[in-house]
Amino acid sequence: SAVISQKPSRDICQRGTSLTIQCQVDSQVTMMFWYRQQPGQSLTLIATANQGSEATYESGFVIDKFPISRPNLTFSTLTVSNMSPEDSSIYLCSVEALGGLGYGYTFGSGTRLTVV
Amino acid sequence: QQPVQSPQAVILREGEDAVINCSSSKALYSVHWYRQKHGEAPVFLMILLKGGEQKGHEKISASFNEKKQQSSLYLTASQLSYSGTYFCGTEGSPDKLIFGTGTRLQVFP
Repeated sequence: SAVISQKPSRDICQRGTSLTIQCQVDSQVTMMFWYRQQPGQSLTLIATANQGSEATYESGFVIDKFPISRPNLTFSTLTVSNMSPEDSSIYLCSVEALGGLGYGYTFGSGTRLTVV
Repeated sequence: QQPVQSPQAVILREGEDAVINCSSSKALYSVHWYRQKHGEAPVFLMILLKGGEQKGHEKISASFNEKKQQSSLYLTASQLSYSGTYFCGTEGSPDKLIFGTGTRLQVFP
């Protein structure tokens, strides 16, 4: 299945600043997904990123706050903008595992963000 | 709408069995099951694509009742390595995976 390199693995940021998270996949994929996992909670889908088109955001998430880039079929970035302590979470990127149906989704190792 | 899992938490001794349920209010295209250990990313266990389908993976198996929009994960003869948080993930349409509320499983010697 695909291998995802995600960075940074963690960061502590000042409120009001922005952080860009990068995900690199070792093979070409059509869609990449960005999730947020707040402490002790489940994963919430932020948006789906397709190469060559604007990302599709889920309810409660907006492009101004979480701009996403998808310049090619192996790379995507998520920016958390104008951060507040409520943005402290783990952010994960994900792709459908290669091999077709039956292989689920593969996740990056996550970015643990703390906003102070 | 986020799928609801039950129970929220399970405590087992090694060798005991457990069942985790996942219920959705929407019609489902597929159901996934993942296990997440503390500080790690979720790891895929299995996917069920058809109503009434059952699948097995060693001592972990699952069923999917498409009509009831429900799935169950069966853990038999639990091992210490089974500890973690289990999430179902549902696709109401392809390529949009929504995770359930989660079930924390702890296995003790």
